[in-house]
Amino acid sequence: GAVVSQHPSWVICKSGTSVKIECRSLDFQATTMFWYRQFPKQSLMLMATSNEGSKATYEQGVEKDKFLINHASLTLSTLTVTSAHPEDSSFYICSATDRQGAGEQYFGPGTRLTVT
Amino acid sequence: AQRVTQPEKLLSVFKGAPVELKCNYSYSGSPELFWYVQYSRQRLQLLLRHISRESIKGFTADLNKGETSFHLKKPFAQEEDSAMYYCALKTSYDKVIFGPGTSLSVIP
Repeated sequence: GAVVSQHPSWVICKSGTSVKIECRSLDFQATTMFWYRQFPKQSLMLMATSNEGSKATYEQGVEKDKFLINHASLTLSTLTVTSAHPEDSSFYICSATDRQGAGEQYFGPGTRLTVT
Repeated sequence: AQRVTQPEKLLSVFKGAPVELKCNYSYSGSPELFWYVQYSRQRLQLLLRHISRESIKGFTADLNKGETSFHLKKPFAQEEDSAMYYCALKTSYDKVIFGPGTSLSVIP
């Protein structure tokens, strides 16, 4: 089946620094990629929708200048958390929709971000 | 408003007992609904979608537009069914809205 990878799987950074998270579709081309945030014992909250070659669409309440999304190719999207603060600590999950398939979303394993 | 609710945060059943995880949705258009499962320390994976009307791992779910529900059912729970279950609604532009999730624990 289709596989989505994320890198890194976990990262610790200092407050005020930026960190980049990669999301790759390994064996298919992704029309659209999505970024979610998941707090402990809570559901996934959609942050933004990323389409290849165009600007990401952010959900209400998500700061676009803080969470920079770049979808450079049909297999790669990146999320950069700029000037990270401890409250940005969370589990970030990406998903990708198979361009050729039935539109099913495939999820990455997630990235645990801890800001100290 | 687009919304998915799962009234039970935690659900415990004995092995072999029937299980039903409730899901209700609010959506003005024609809904496309899914159930996702997340086993411990694993990524989220699709369990089933209402369009395909298939049964996966013994689970079934029927879309009831009148009651705006998409409850997940299994006649005989197994220990390996213990996991977090999310009901999800696909809206326009392929956006998926997740419910808060139900943690299912099957007691041996």
